Amino acid sequence: AQRVTQPEKLLSVFKGAPVELKCNYSYSGSPELFWYVQYSRQRLQLLLRHISRESIKGFTADLNKGETSFHLKKPFAQEEDSAMYYCALLLYSGAGSYQLTFGKGTKLSVIP
Amino acid sequence: DAMVIQNPRYQVTQFGKPVTLSCSQTLNHNVMYWYQQKSSQAPKLLFHYYDKDFNNEADTPDNFQSRRPNTSFCFLDIRSPGLGDAAMYLCATSRVGERSDTQYFGPGTRLTVL
Repeated sequence: AQRVTQPEKLLSVFKGAPVELKCNYSYSGSPELFWYVQYSRQRLQLLLRHISRESIKGFTADLNKGETSFHLKKPFAQEEDSAMYYCALLLYSGAGSYQLTFGKGTKLSVIP
Repeated sequence: DAMVIQNPRYQVTQFGKPVTLSCSQTLNHNVMYWYQQKSSQAPKLLFHYYDKDFNNEADTPDNFQSRRPNTSFCFLDIRSPGLGDAAMYLCATSRVGERSDTQYFGPGTRLTVL
């Protein structure tokens, strides 16, 4: 069965410290993975997707098929990074549409 | 701005009293999704519409129904809400045909069942 695991419910780091939010997945096919972010009182929104190999707001994430991981990293945390982060796996659900399976999320708290 | 709108943002209903949550979008996306998110849990897909085709998740209770009268609107109907249905309900949209399509989320409706 497809599954996304985020082992840390809460992660606290000091401002300027490196951040790594862990995500592991279980999927027999070729995975397509995303990170979504939800800032306080705002809607869930896409942060980045692995196929774009992009860096958004200083965050990067590399797909490691050997370790079935897609960890989110940032070298220097900022206070505005404090938010809830969800890792998600995209699955084909038939009829031309796709669905996301989300991890339980990690709350990142950046301490000034 | 093009966006996904959910009304109301907060809904209170009584145990067993039918309730309808609404979602509208100005993105002209083909696919609309409804997710349920309980406290400290991941969003869980209930069902989605691809145009007018309804796709129900296998474990979505029969108590939950959906309607999509046109491209822009989609409704979530809970026929007889139980205490366990209290949750945040998220609507999302995406554009069909792109494998890595981004899903755009609404702000959610928080449902309280008394």
